Amino acid sequence: DAGITQSPRYKITETGRQVTLMCHQTWSHSYMFWYRQDLGHGLRLIYYSAAADITDKGEVPDGYVVSRSKTENFPLTLESATRSQTSVYFCASRPVSRESYEQYFGPGTRLTVT
Amino acid sequence: SQQGEEDPQALSIQEGENATMNCSYKTSINNLQWYRQNSGRGLVHLILIRSNEREKHSGRLRVTLDTSKKSSSLLITASRAADTASYFCATGLTGTASKLTFGTGTRLQVTL
Repeated sequence: DAGITQSPRYKITETGRQVTLMCHQTWSHSYMFWYRQDLGHGLRLIYYSAAADITDKGEVPDGYVVSRSKTENFPLTLESATRSQTSVYFCASRPVSRESYEQYFGPGTRLTVT
Repeated sequence: SQQGEEDPQALSIQEGENATMNCSYKTSINNLQWYRQNSGRGLVHLILIRSNEREKHSGRLRVTLDTSKKSSSLLITASRAADTASYFCATGLTGTASKLTFGTGTRLQVTL
């Protein structure tokens, strides 16, 4: 299906475990983003990528790792999950365009770290 | 620190009324966008206004931007129950237009 998808949609993991959240988009958008959404903080940017093999830190990158070997995929890995990483994670993408800066969001992954 | 702050945090109105929510930001921007988020879903883009624009319309939405006051407002006219959602402003900063910084959102409840 066309669009942007995230998997899993729900995940419960234990403190200290490694977990990877997947993001896949079918539009060949150059830019991809990872956000976390927490009550009282809105959305905060974790990492973003301007193209395959180009990634950069956002506002809250500590404890997270990203990679982008293919344009369509942008996985987010929590190397050693902590309770403070319990959150809803959103992936987004947008094309390279001087006319539109609109981002397209996935449905989110609700992650609980116990 | 958040670039955008929405006001009010929560708003409850009756169907047919207008809803106004405001966003303030701190630094120079390239563009400002408004997004809607229904409960448990991802964000959906509503409208974008550039830093050289003062007002923009899209259907029942009207957005204004005052760069001298570093503020924007979103007006939804003739609200419907389906407009119940959280609304977020997001700013694209000058020189870093690929990234957006989101505010904390306004939760709008439209009752019948």
